[in-house]
Amino acid sequence: GAGVSQSPSNKVTEKGKDVELRCDPISGHTALYWYRQSLGQGLEFLIYFQGNSAPDKSGLPSDRFSAERTGGSVSTLTIQRTQQEDSAVYLCASSLGGTSQYFGPGTRLTVL
Amino acid sequence: EDKVVQSPLSLVVHEGDTVTLNCSYEVTNFRSLLWYKQEKKAPTFLFMLTSSGIEKKSGRLSSILDKKELFSILNITATQTGDSAVYLCAVTNAGGTSYGKLTFGQGTILTVHP
Repeated sequence: GAGVSQSPSNKVTEKGKDVELRCDPISGHTALYWYRQSLGQGLEFLIYFQGNSAPDKSGLPSDRFSAERTGGSVSTLTIQRTQQEDSAVYLCASSLGGTSQYFGPGTRLTVL
Repeated sequence: EDKVVQSPLSLVVHEGDTVTLNCSYEVTNFRSLLWYKQEKKAPTFLFMLTSSGIEKKSGRLSSILDKKELFSILNITATQTGDSAVYLCAVTNAGGTSYGKLTFGQGTILTVHP
């Protein structure tokens, strides 16, 4: 595609429910990253994919968070048993090797 | 742990003014420094800098990197109201499994009044 796309753009869920956030990177980009931006906070790294493998998961805040990437393309970030502190904008970015990262429009997650 | 500090945290100017945004960093095995503009949700890419002393320019925006003093500046000349945004600085680390991961500063909120 022309740019990174993410869905849904907004998600409101109840505490304790599971959510899945999707990222579709720029075609051909081998690297994919997930970041989180909480209200008043900077962007925080979550996980990095190179192809389908995730050599760096160091930013995932707890074992309720997981992510996968299939076919070297689409990635899904799953949050289980959501908590209110999970409310944030979740941003996905992709890049070709070590070049600049291009961000998607993000998913705003609100946990009630 | 890699660290990025931006200053000022916020800045209010009038149209036509020139602004300079600062970014200092500490990173093991530095690879690159990037500037982004964030207006709503998605940061949009401005510049990537890897070499000291080489100015990158795009219209009224320019940026330069000093790898000896570990900082970068972003200049915006003849500011316009459309320049109002959060400007983010980030660095990447070339080492090990962290390749390409961006470490962000807290951002500078720029407000340009007519």
